[in-house]
Amino acid sequence: EVQLEESGGGLVQPGGSLRLSCAGTGFTFSGHWMNWVRQAPGRGLEWVANIKQDGSEKYYTDSVKGRFTITRDNAEKSAFLQMNSLRAEDTAVYYCASGWGWLIENWGQGTLVTVSS
Amino acid sequence: EIVLTQSPGTLALSPGERATLSCRASQSVGKNYLAWYQQKPGQAPRLLINGASTRATGISDRFSGSGSGTDFTLTISRLEPGDSAVYYCQQYATSPLTFGGGTKVEIK
Repeated sequence: EVQLEESGGGLVQPGGSLRLSCAGTGFTFSGHWMNWVRQAPGRGLEWVANIKQDGSEKYYTDSVKGRFTITRDNAEKSAFLQMNSLRAEDTAVYYCASGWGWLIENWGQGTLVTVSS
Repeated sequence: EIVLTQSPGTLALSPGERATLSCRASQSVGKNYLAWYQQKPGQAPRLLINGASTRATGISDRFSGSGSGTDFTLTISRLEPGDSAVYYCQQYATSPLTFGGGTKVEIK
């Protein structure tokens, strides 16, 4: 059974940084693209970033370019999202998700990031 | 960026009825790389349909997807109380990946 478990969320002040982690089990982690998708309170889904199996390609939504960095460690079966210069509008539940190609097939339960003073 | 517009915003139907959800893209979705997800309150989304019409593993045949190009439809036949959720379409053909705003399905 595919399992994705996020960690690292919490309360951070505007302008601060946070690093999210995602541990994957039950599947061949190194064979899948990994994604981060977020959902602001009471709002819809917004794709944030994804990374190719070997880390050679990374893509971001415009609103996080230059502030967020997605990485992965296949040996540790983990993906990460480094978030810098956080803004109030980054407040959301952040989901880790995996899939073949760019199709998102499996989702974690999410971790809440709150940006507030 | 491909903008996806879902309609209606909310659909209230009775058990046993059929729900028809629409997703319209601002430009053609290449290779019909269009997926549908179901999200229940407090839960993560779940993949229902990929490639516009292929059901994901374990998904009931009451869920069906159709369409191509810019117009796509998710049909839920014989509605059950457990189908109450928000349904999102998403294109995965072009970066940035984008989601529609969602359709809330309420079971009366």
